[in-house]
Amino acid sequence: RKEVEQDPGPFNVPEGATVAFNCTYSNSASQSFFWYRQDCRKEPKLLMSVYSSGNEDGRFTAQLNRASQYISLLIRDSKLSDSATYLCVGLVRGGSYIPTFGRGTSLIVHP
Amino acid sequence: NAGVTQTPKFQVLKTGQSMTLQCAQDMNHEYMSWYRQDPGMGLRLIHYSVGAGITDQGEVPNGYNVSRSTTEDFPLRLLSAAPSQTSVYFCASSYGTRGEAFFGQGTRLTVV
Repeated sequence: RKEVEQDPGPFNVPEGATVAFNCTYSNSASQSFFWYRQDCRKEPKLLMSVYSSGNEDGRFTAQLNRASQYISLLIRDSKLSDSATYLCVGLVRGGSYIPTFGRGTSLIVHP
Repeated sequence: NAGVTQTPKFQVLKTGQSMTLQCAQDMNHEYMSWYRQDPGMGLRLIHYSVGAGITDQGEVPNGYNVSRSTTEDFPLRLLSAAPSQTSVYFCASSYGTRGEAFFGQGTRLTVV
């Protein structure tokens, strides 16, 4: 079982919609969490870190639920340019701290 | 500001050939790693290093070797290429406990 699990989608939404992805993690010692974005045939790039108190960056909001062991990413007012694959990462306290990725969730925003 | 540089960007190999994928970073990161990405499989960790002279295996290490003689470089060697190694390979470096990883542009490898 992978340390992080994601629904691969695709999530197909119209422009302007709000969409949310979840990512569950199996190791309760996981300490740090991140969301990455990957465009087709490109390298992944950091989208945002996920803090215990949650954090917001413009239209993007990330939340951490330690009790249920999942993180979430909410995208408001979706744009065509948001179409991409979104990858979650968890790092384990006392582990290697090498990022281990979920399989990614594909988002397609259509006109 | 080069970041993480991978070479080559594309490569075609014949079964049984060997080659080295190069990865260099100029951010003085201690942590470096290699991933392969196949359709529907996400990024799978091949090998990683937490400092010069220290390497360890990831999820899918078979058929690959690594070494880390300097902080900057982390080459990945394919010993005897097989069609199952056809994939996109990404090298990454990170701050370690902070975990934010920076990726190279990838190497698209085809083994025929």
